[in-house]
Amino acid sequence: AQSVTQLDSQVPVFEEAPVELRCNYSSSVSVYLFWYVQYPNQGLQLLLKYLSGSTLVKGINGFEAEFNKSQTSFHLRKPSVHISDTAEYFCAVRGGSQGNLIFGKGTKLSVKP
Amino acid sequence: GAGVSQSPSNKVTEKGKDVELRCDPISGHTALYWYRQSLGQGLEFLIYFQGNSAPDKSGLPSDRFSAERTGGSVSTLTIQRTQQEDSAVYLCASAGASAPSGEQYFGPGTRLTVT
Repeated sequence: AQSVTQLDSQVPVFEEAPVELRCNYSSSVSVYLFWYVQYPNQGLQLLLKYLSGSTLVKGINGFEAEFNKSQTSFHLRKPSVHISDTAEYFCAVRGGSQGNLIFGKGTKLSVKP
Repeated sequence: GAGVSQSPSNKVTEKGKDVELRCDPISGHTALYWYRQSLGQGLEFLIYFQGNSAPDKSGLPSDRFSAERTGGSVSTLTIQRTQQEDSAVYLCASAGASAPSGEQYFGPGTRLTVT
């Protein structure tokens, strides 16, 4: 069965600093991986996805993630964060034959001035 | 075009009452998913619809939960005899047949509070 582990529940960081949000997955089948962002009182918005091909995936708002099969990781990075990046970030793997997503517990990114 | 919409945005109900939550997917999307987001459990899959096929109900937590999708479009999630542990945000997502595998578009959610 697939599962996703987000290693940090909260990540505080200063504005313009780099950030990495960690995600590890387990899957016995072909892997499709996703990062979603949830701003306060809003739904989930897709940041980026890995389906196949290049292991470095670029998404919206300057975020990128690298698929590492040997380490079963899909960490999210941004070289310089803004106050507006404060949100909760969810890593997910496509699970089951029906395509439903299996989510990690989320990481709350707090960007301080 | 319009995204996924859900109604109501907030619902407060008394324990034991039934509630209905509505989801309008993106026009033309054939797949529809319901998820629940709660403090203790995170984001959990509930049910999946694909076109006119029988739904995958494997994520429903109890027989008090049911869902239907009329005409392959609008979906309603019904919770009967609500309990306090049903308090959560219920999210709906839709996906199109032409979308990359697994790419789902989420609605803003319905926040359900059971008192």
